[in-house]
Amino acid sequence: NAGVMQNPRHLVRRRGQEARLRCSPMKGHSHVYWYRQLPEEGLKFMVYLQKENIIDESGMPKERFSAEFPKEGPSILRIQQVVRGDSAAYFCASSSIRTSTDTQYFGPGTRLTVL
Amino acid sequence: DQQVKQNSPSLSVQEGRISILNCDYTNSMFDYFLWYKKYPAEGPTFLISISSIKDKNEDGRFTVFLNKSAKHLSLHIVPSQPGDSAVYFCAAPTDNTDKLIFGTGTRLQVFP
Repeated sequence: NAGVMQNPRHLVRRRGQEARLRCSPMKGHSHVYWYRQLPEEGLKFMVYLQKENIIDESGMPKERFSAEFPKEGPSILRIQQVVRGDSAAYFCASSSIRTSTDTQYFGPGTRLTVL
Repeated sequence: DQQVKQNSPSLSVQEGRISILNCDYTNSMFDYFLWYKKYPAEGPTFLISISSIKDKNEDGRFTVFLNKSAKHLSLHIVPSQPGDSAVYFCAAPTDNTDKLIFGTGTRLQVFP
């Protein structure tokens, strides 16, 4: 009865390095959402994916950030050349179908610290 | 453009009393609202939701009220328990992709 899994839970990177965050949705869920929470702020939508498709990336920074959800394996949020401002908690959520009344279930988050 | 607003960053309530957390929204197209509870170092956990066709939804100690004309919703917790101490976010799905728009959260502390 695994929920949404994210790894790593904590990630420390130096400026200029790459960060890869993984998200395995709940069993049977094919919709994945990524959110970012900066300190003292609410969660902000980044990207919505289905298997092999990016549906909405309107919340993604235009540069350095990318996301994928391959046919096999977890969803990956990739941040290239990290900067200190990327330090945040990154949460993914999954849902089984795309309706406005379907609950999104969240993973525990990955806390990224950029030194 | 903060479409979902939680104007009280924190709330302190005595155990056994009622906790009332408020949320305002600006987008009249929102038709569904959710409350999430978040403990430190954990992801948000779904708590309760309400559709715009209703003005109240109750689940145990938790009740959400929706006032569409005022674009306001509130979460009532009664009786409050120390384990309820957490950050509470209200959220609404938007557009046809159902991405959630979150408020900034209210930190609830329930003391004995």
